[in-house]
Amino acid sequence: QVQLVESGGGVVQPGGSLRLSCAASGFTFSSYGMHWVRQAPGKGLEWVAFIRYDGSNKYYADSVKGRFTISRDNSKNTLYLQMNSLRAEDTAVYYCAKDDSNGDYAYWYFDLWGRGTLVTVSS
Amino acid sequence: AIQLTQSPSSLSASVGDRVTITCRASQGISSALAWYQQKPGKAPKLLIYDASSLESGVPSRFSGSGSGTDFTLTISSLQPEDFATYYCQQFNNYPCTFGPGTKVDIK
Repeated sequence: QVQLVESGGGVVQPGGSLRLSCAASGFTFSSYGMHWVRQAPGKGLEWVAFIRYDGSNKYYADSVKGRFTISRDNSKNTLYLQMNSLRAEDTAVYYCAKDDSNGDYAYWYFDLWGRGTLVTVSS
Repeated sequence: AIQLTQSPSSLSASVGDRVTITCRASQGISSALAWYQQKPGKAPKLLIYDASSLESGVPSRFSGSGSGTDFTLTISSLQPEDFATYYCQQFNNYPCTFGPGTKVDIK
């Protein structure tokens, strides 16, 4: 079954850290670029980060640059998001999403999404 | 970053109605636009990419059109399972950005 399953969300204090994971199955994970997209409660969608299929390039939204790190382990079919120096405005459901990419070329739209994991930053 | 606006922000419609949602970009994005459907508590689902290409498995009552700055998503005959929020997303310029969404609910 083709799916993405996120985990690692929870409640964290401002300034704290959290690491999210996304387990992929049913497709050749190592062949596709992957993204994190978030959605604050009751709000719209915001792209967060992207990593190429081989991990060689990473891109970040300005709102998280320098605080978040995207990575992947293709041997474990898993995507990660390390989140440091968390702020209240980082509170959101975090989705991992598969890029509809083709080898070296990433399309930057998302053809498969996980169910999301909720991150709440609050004291 | 490219700004996307959607209109209307919400609409009420009946089963069987033809529904059209508009997405406008702050500058030209060629045909690099996708549409997603999101139901409450669920992940978004890709409907349309490249402005008019129907994603595999998506019913043919969904269609997309447009290029440059103006785009539309049309549902030819609204079904009960189509009541949801719809988002457009541009991927022509970095960073990719989403529209604010259009909520379609039952009249």
